Amino acid sequence: EAQVTQNPRYLITVTGKKLTVTCSQNMNHEYMSWYRQDPGLGLRQIYYSMNVEVTDKGDVPEGYKVSRKEKRNFPLILESPSPNQTSLYFCASSFSGGGPYEQYFGPGTRLTVT
Amino acid sequence: AQKITQTQPGMFVQEKEAVTLDCTYDTSDQSYGLFWYKQPSSGEMIFLIYQGSYDEQNATEGRYSLNFQKARKSANLVISASQLGDSAMYFCAMREGQSSNDMRFGAGTRLTVKP
Repeated sequence: EAQVTQNPRYLITVTGKKLTVTCSQNMNHEYMSWYRQDPGLGLRQIYYSMNVEVTDKGDVPEGYKVSRKEKRNFPLILESPSPNQTSLYFCASSFSGGGPYEQYFGPGTRLTVT
Repeated sequence: AQKITQTQPGMFVQEKEAVTLDCTYDTSDQSYGLFWYKQPSSGEMIFLIYQGSYDEQNATEGRYSLNFQKARKSANLVISASQLGDSAMYFCAMREGQSSNDMRFGAGTRLTVKP
């Protein structure tokens, strides 16, 4: 089954404790992206990757890191989480090159930072 | 500046009636794509429909259709014969340019279907 998986689905952590949210896709997509969803703001892009070893900042990259060492994986790293990073996070992937290719989303990770 | 604007935070519709969810966008690109996604209470993002800027016909997918008015820069989603399962958040999104994959999302509209 074609899918994007994220782990963990739920996470409660404390300020300053480094964490990683994993993302993996099995569709051989070149493009992958991370979003955060906050009430009234929709989804905002954090980082994206056009292919292996190619990553770039989205609209809200502060406080986040990513890496793309393999095509299928795109982990999101919070080196020192803060309460304002409490949010619902989505990983997404698609074929590259624009066109009618929709983005496939993971199930989401609900993160709470206390 | 906001790229995608959804002016209706919440909408109500009676079961079996049609409903239109508004979306306006801002771009200077000639080539772009418009998408609608549904997010039920379970949280997943479900792709509904796509409209390319050069498509001459309005996109349709089952009970979903996209009312694309290019000159007005609007891409409204029309859901016909609403069902209780249509109750969800709906997001409009745009991808600009011929080769870009980046999407910009609106704030969303929460649709509630009343029995």
